[in-house]
Amino acid sequence: GESVGLHLPTLSVQEGDNSIINCAYSNSASDYFIWYKQESGKGPQFIIDIRSNMDKRQGQRVTVLLNKTVKHLSLQIAATQPGDSAVYFCAATISGNTPLVFGKGTRLSVIA
Amino acid sequence: SAVISQKPSRDICQRGTSLTIQCQVDSQVTMMFWYRQQPGQSLTLIATANQGSEATYESGFVIDKFPISRPNLTFSTLTVSNMSPEDSSIYLCSVEVGTGPGYTFGSGTRLTVV
Repeated sequence: GESVGLHLPTLSVQEGDNSIINCAYSNSASDYFIWYKQESGKGPQFIIDIRSNMDKRQGQRVTVLLNKTVKHLSLQIAATQPGDSAVYFCAATISGNTPLVFGKGTRLSVIA
Repeated sequence: SAVISQKPSRDICQRGTSLTIQCQVDSQVTMMFWYRQQPGQSLTLIATANQGSEATYESGFVIDKFPISRPNLTFSTLTVSNMSPEDSSIYLCSVEVGTGPGYTFGSGTRLTVV
């Protein structure tokens, strides 16, 4: 089955620096990947997604990189702001209305 | 993307009782997914609810403990039965709506069992 894990449980960065959060997945059949942000007391909030036919996708201040060879993806946040402080989860699935499998989560703390 | 209304947002319950959590979606969806998030942990899938059929439960979760209803394409309930303090968690529902990216989540139900 699928398992998704993260390399670092916590990450502290200075305001204005770039943040990189990593994630590994195990099921090579996974073809859809999503990064979520979860603030305290709230449900996961969609940040960015990527499909397996791409290796990079950019959003506003965020970039997701996918390396299918080593089954790894990362989330890069540019110019990290205090409002970025939250727990970040990666999730993977096989397209077709199948459930997401979540990684353990990384808590990002932004130091002002 | 879809909008999910989940309620209650939180509750404190006595052990041995049951709580039913409701999720209402603003569009018709085939599958609804129920997750549990234990304190300080990630989301774990409880079951997948397909309208008109029995829910499919993940390993470690059983229907007697977490009965699910899916009466139509916009609504589902999850009941946490015979609760114990170990059931204290956040419970979330989720759907995939093909018109938008990602999967949408409800805001969660924070359950505390005392």
